Amino acid sequence: EAAVTQSPRSKVAVTGGKVTLSCHQTNNHDYMYWYRQDTGHGLRLIHYSYVADSTEKGDIPDGYKASRPSQENFSLILELASLSQTAVYFCASRETGRNSDYTFGSGTRLLVI
Amino acid sequence: QEKVQQSPESLIVPEGAMVSLNCSFSDSASQSIWWYQQHPGKGPKALISIFSNGNKKEGRLTVYLNRASLHVSLHIKDSQPSDSAVYLCAVSVTGGNNKLTFGQGTVLSVIP
Repeated sequence: EAAVTQSPRSKVAVTGGKVTLSCHQTNNHDYMYWYRQDTGHGLRLIHYSYVADSTEKGDIPDGYKASRPSQENFSLILELASLSQTAVYFCASRETGRNSDYTFGSGTRLLVI
Repeated sequence: QEKVQQSPESLIVPEGAMVSLNCSFSDSASQSIWWYQQHPGKGPKALISIFSNGNKKEGRLTVYLNRASLHVSLHIKDSQPSDSAVYLCAVSVTGGNNKLTFGQGTVLSVIP
């Protein structure tokens, strides 16, 4: 079964520290996405990628970097974590094709203190 | 940038009731509209999508799209306690690399 696996499931980080969130997909999908979810804001797109070794900025990229070293793996990097980055982060993948749906992971709950 | 607004914010209904959820979007060039269901502690899961004006029925779900009024609605017939979840409306825009823009969600509670 096609799957998107995120790690860790939850993390506590200190302000100013570096945080890396990982995502692995077995769907053989070209597109991968990172979203954050905050209460009252739905999901907002941070970064995405449609091919390995290339990433694109989403709607709220400030304070985040992304890395796509292979088709299967997509990481989100917070170089200097801040309190405002406390949220639940979701990774998703999608196959090429304008009407294909997203497959989401189960999320990473990040608390920055 | 596409804007997606959902209403109501939350809804409580008795088991067996018909549920109606609303979503409005800002870009008439929107390509497709999706409804996702999200249970606590889980990622969103795609329920149903619509691309053409009109309606689409799948099981207990019916979605209506009116591009002229920039409005889409999701109706759940014979609601069940297992339908209790957050429902997210998402819109993709032509030429936007099929990025989805999500609404803030509607929290549905179905009471046995």
